[in-house]
Amino acid sequence: ETGVTQSPTHLIKTRGQQVTLRCSSQSGHNTVSWYQQALGQGPQFIFQYYREEENGRGNFPPRFSGLQFPNYSSELNVNALELDDSALYLCASSFRTQQTDTQYFGPGTRLTVL
Amino acid sequence: AQRVTQPEKLLSVFKGAPVELKCNYSYSGSPELFWYVQYSRQRLQLLLRHISRESIKGFTADLNKGETSFHLKKPFAQEEDSAMYYCALATDSWGKLQFGAGTQVVVTP
Repeated sequence: ETGVTQSPTHLIKTRGQQVTLRCSSQSGHNTVSWYQQALGQGPQFIFQYYREEENGRGNFPPRFSGLQFPNYSSELNVNALELDDSALYLCASSFRTQQTDTQYFGPGTRLTVL
Repeated sequence: AQRVTQPEKLLSVFKGAPVELKCNYSYSGSPELFWYVQYSRQRLQLLLRHISRESIKGFTADLNKGETSFHLKKPFAQEEDSAMYYCALATDSWGKLQFGAGTQVVVTP
């Protein structure tokens, strides 16, 4: 069984730039969620994708957008980067079941905005 | 509004002593609660969820709807329990999670 993988591990960008982060779901999972974890805080839900459609969104502006591909991998795009976007970005995958789905997390991408 | 509160940022305990991590929540529906753990240089991983009623690595957690709490307990802490612990609330059946700020546990010999 292959776990959730994310790339790149680290990224440095400047304010105003755009960034794309990538995630490969755990084998057999069809749902992917993205979280932002600022330093010293718990992860915050950004959005979730199921069968290539957005399935709920947290309190994040539209410059945060995503995609899910037919193989269930996913991208998180952030436009017009701001200094406060510096954080660890976590991807989590799950398999849709009859019960509340359990999230399995990737190692994260550390984004630094200068 | 839904919220998860972990009042302790840091918990320092001696090996062999009991440890209790507090978690309180506010949620209008029927809550589904989890504890996640992050060991040093490792990814966030599920420790336990309240519906399974399991004991994982000696840890247990009981959902108390009256007190809106889901405290994590272990009777005898081990050095390998040193980690960051997050309490999380599922906001729907799809498993979207609202996390607390986390509690750093340090177990000293």
